[in-house]
Amino acid sequence: AQKVTQAQTEISVVEKEDVTLDCVYETRDTTYYLFWYKQPPSGELVFLIRRNSFDEQNEISGRYSWNFQKSTSSFNFTITASQVVDSAVYFCALMRDNYGQNFVFGPGTRLSVLP
Amino acid sequence: DGGITQSPKYLFRKEGQNVTLSCEQNLNHDAMYWYRQDPGQGLRLIYYSQIVNDFQKGDIAEGYSVSREKKESFPLTVTSAQKNPTAFYLCASSIDQSRSTDTQYFGPGTRLTVL
Repeated sequence: AQKVTQAQTEISVVEKEDVTLDCVYETRDTTYYLFWYKQPPSGELVFLIRRNSFDEQNEISGRYSWNFQKSTSSFNFTITASQVVDSAVYFCALMRDNYGQNFVFGPGTRLSVLP
Repeated sequence: DGGITQSPKYLFRKEGQNVTLSCEQNLNHDAMYWYRQDPGQGLRLIYYSQIVNDFQKGDIAEGYSVSREKKESFPLTVTSAQKNPTAFYLCASSIDQSRSTDTQYFGPGTRLTVL
């Protein structure tokens, strides 16, 4: 069975602090895809990153970075020097290879960045 | 501007009434999807369509119906058979129906409340 766990329901940080959002996934597939989406108060899901299971290289995009570790089935997301505009719900998701319609979302982590 | 539009943003319905949610995209994407989001939870797939005039049930299709008469449009009807329809509904699309693992991009959502 496919499952995505985001153990942190809510996180609050003060602006400029670094924050890491955890994502742990379960799958028996050898090929799969991992995603992070941001859902601001407006409701729209904004695509942040997609990672293939065969590419464990970490990625950095501005203040955002992602740490993918297959050994621990984790795909954690770090925001450096957080800003108030980062306040949102963040979803981690898992997609099986050739099962694009089987897109399993985690429950989300609500991040509040306080000024 | 290219993107996905959903209307209305807020929708109220009396019990026993059918209601149709609109989803339009001008991205020339082949595949379109409908998800339901309940408070504090991730997204669950209702229906998806990989090509015009074809669609498939997702994980929670009961009480819903869809049509795909045009590539750019994928309306969702919430019928009176749906026992708990109050939720946030998100529409998504992806580029190529033949590549089922393409990244999905989301619209702004419709919040449906049953009175």
